[in-house]
This record gives sequence, C-alpha cells and structure tokens, in this order.
Amino acid sequence: QVQLVESGGGVVQPGGSLRLSCAASGFIFRNYGMNWVRQAPGKGLEWLAFIHYDGRIKYYADSVKGRSTISRDNSKNTVYLQMNSLRVEDTAVYYCAKGNRITATGPYDAFDIWGQGTMVTVSS
Amino acid sequence: QSALTQPASVSGSPGQSITISCTGTSSDVGAYNFVSWYQQHPGKAPKLLIYEVSNRPSGVSNRFSGSKSGNTASLTISGLQAEDEADYYCSSYTSTNTRVFGGGTKLTVL
Repeated sequence: QVQLVESGGGVVQPGGSLRLSCAASGFIFRNYGMNWVRQAPGKGLEWLAFIHYDGRIKYYADSVKGRSTISRDNSKNTVYLQMNSLRVEDTAVYYCAKGNRITATGPYDAFDIWGQGTMVTVSS
Repeated sequence: QSALTQPASVSGSPGQSITISCTGTSSDVGAYNFVSWYQQHPGKAPKLLIYEVSNRPSGVSNRFSGSKSGNTASLTISGLQAEDEADYYCSSYTSTNTRVFGGGTKLTVL
C-alpha cells in the first residue's frame, strides 16, 4: 500500500545536527514533490521544506532556511531532511508528506499521504 | 509567513453542521486556489480532507465540503458525528513559494 516511513529522530543537544529519512513505497516516488512538516508538542502544523520531483528545486520556510537541507534519492525512494544548528524550539514530531500532483514544481499541491512522524528532541 | 487564522475551537451536536473559517491575505488564500484542509486525531498523522479549495479525495465523506471567498476559506462539516471530533488545519500556498498552515481548530462534538 501507499506508505511513508520516517526515521532518524532522537535526542540531540542544542547546536547539534540530525538527518531525518523518509522511505516511500506503493507509488511512483520520482513523479511527486515531497515535503517536511513538523508539529511541536501541543502545537499546530508547520510546513518546513519542499523538494521538486527530480530534486532540482527546493523551497524552505524562514524558520529553517540556512540551517536545513532537503534532498532526495529517487533510486532509493527516499527523501531526507538534514538539520543543523538545532535549537530547543526545533523539538517536534517531524512528518514527511507527499504532494498530490504529478511533477509539481512548487509546494502548491496538497499533502495526500503522510508518514507516522519521527520525534526530534533538542535538549541539553 | 504568518500562520493563517482559524478559531481555536468550535463545537456542535451530533447531526448539526459546523463551519471552520481560515483567514489569510491577498498573498496566500486570496491569491490562489491551493487551499487544503486536514483532520488530525490525537497522536495520529494528519489526513487530507479537501484540496484546491473544494475538492474531496476519494474516500473522504461528502459530509466535508470547502469553499473560499476573498481571503477567507471555509470548511463545513454536515451531519456531525462523534468520530469528527479532532483538530482541523487549513493550509495555503503563498506568493513566496512556501506553504502556510492555520493555527488549528479543535472540534468538540457535544
């Protein structure tokens, strides 16, 4: 079935780095834009980043721009989020989400498939 | 990238209809028909309910409907059921090639 599975979360100290992964299955991964969205404990959803279906175009929210990099490996059906200079306020559940339009060139599509999320805790 | 504005909470009785508003600006909700709505139950991932203002994915009940007027989008749930109790989020594409979510609305079914 169509599925996204995140991994790579954990506890990291302020200033540290983490790479999140999201493995996709059940659909033609290389045809769809992918996104990362996070949710701090008890808070709402926050969009973080988008990557074009072939990886050429990337967009970021101001909150993570310059500290995070989204990438993808279409041969492995996996999208990544490298996060650096982590702050306490980055503590959240991180979700990857699939765009619903084939070959979308920007994050204008809706998110029709979500992973179960991976928890990132930034604490000393 | 300010969050879209949603009411913090709404409530209704079983069988009633409720509407959740989502107010943005002329740079997001008002500029594009790329507004979507999500339902999230506690401890679960969000689920897409509405895309491009008023379209329902296959499998989503026709009790859920969406609309937009100017800078405000709306989600209406008719025939409220106990299982509809959840958090609801709107989202819009923006003129800076980003997406923005609303702050979320907690729906209580009385």
